[in-house]
Amino acid sequence: EVQLVESGGGLVKPGGSLRVSCAASGFTFTDAWMSWVRQAPGRGLEWVGHIKSKTDGGTTDYAAPVKGRFTISRDDSKNTLYLQMNSLKTEDTAVYYCSTEGLLLVNVFDYWGQGALVTVSS
Amino acid sequence: QSALTQPRSVSGSPGQSVTISCSGTNSDVGAYDHVTWYQQRPGKAPKLIIYDVIKRPSGVPDRFSGSKSGNTASLTISGLQAEDEADYSCCSYAGSYTFWVFGGGTKLTVL
Repeated sequence: EVQLVESGGGLVKPGGSLRVSCAASGFTFTDAWMSWVRQAPGRGLEWVGHIKSKTDGGTTDYAAPVKGRFTISRDDSKNTLYLQMNSLKTEDTAVYYCSTEGLLLVNVFDYWGQGALVTVSS
Repeated sequence: QSALTQPRSVSGSPGQSVTISCSGTNSDVGAYDHVTWYQQRPGKAPKLIIYDVIKRPSGVPDRFSGSKSGNTASLTISGLQAEDEADYSCCSYAGSYTFWVFGGGTKLTVL
């Protein structure tokens, strides 16, 4: 059974930093492209960025609102995905979901974690 | 403001059909056949219900169907059931610079 479990959410002040993790199990993590998708309170889903599998280059892409502030990385030895968030703004307040991207079906977010709440407030 | 436009809410009675629209541009919905729909219940993670505009993953009832015309995609739920009450979000591939765009979500109420 595929499981994605986020951790590390919390309250942080504007301008601060936070790292959210996503522990994966039930599939071959090294082969998977992984994405972060967020949802601000009462708002729609928003793609944050993704990291390709090492086989496909291991490169990252980011949405414009977070580019230069957020960094996605992976530790394949630990089956864990990370989202390092710096220079946080109040508008970054959201539930952050990790997701597999195209694991079983191409061009979809197949499996999702339960999310980690990040609150940016003074 | 989300990149794709959906109605904030729709409603229908059990047994009826409802259609949720998802309006984009010729850079996303109109350009690619990679439109997906997700169902999300309160406090839960999204669940994939339609991909590649019209396809259903294994286990999703055939009451759920998708379509696209020009820059607008649609999700139709026929034979509404109480368990269908949830938020529905569309998503489209938007090319190798923007990658993925979502709609703002539509709350479906089963009366």
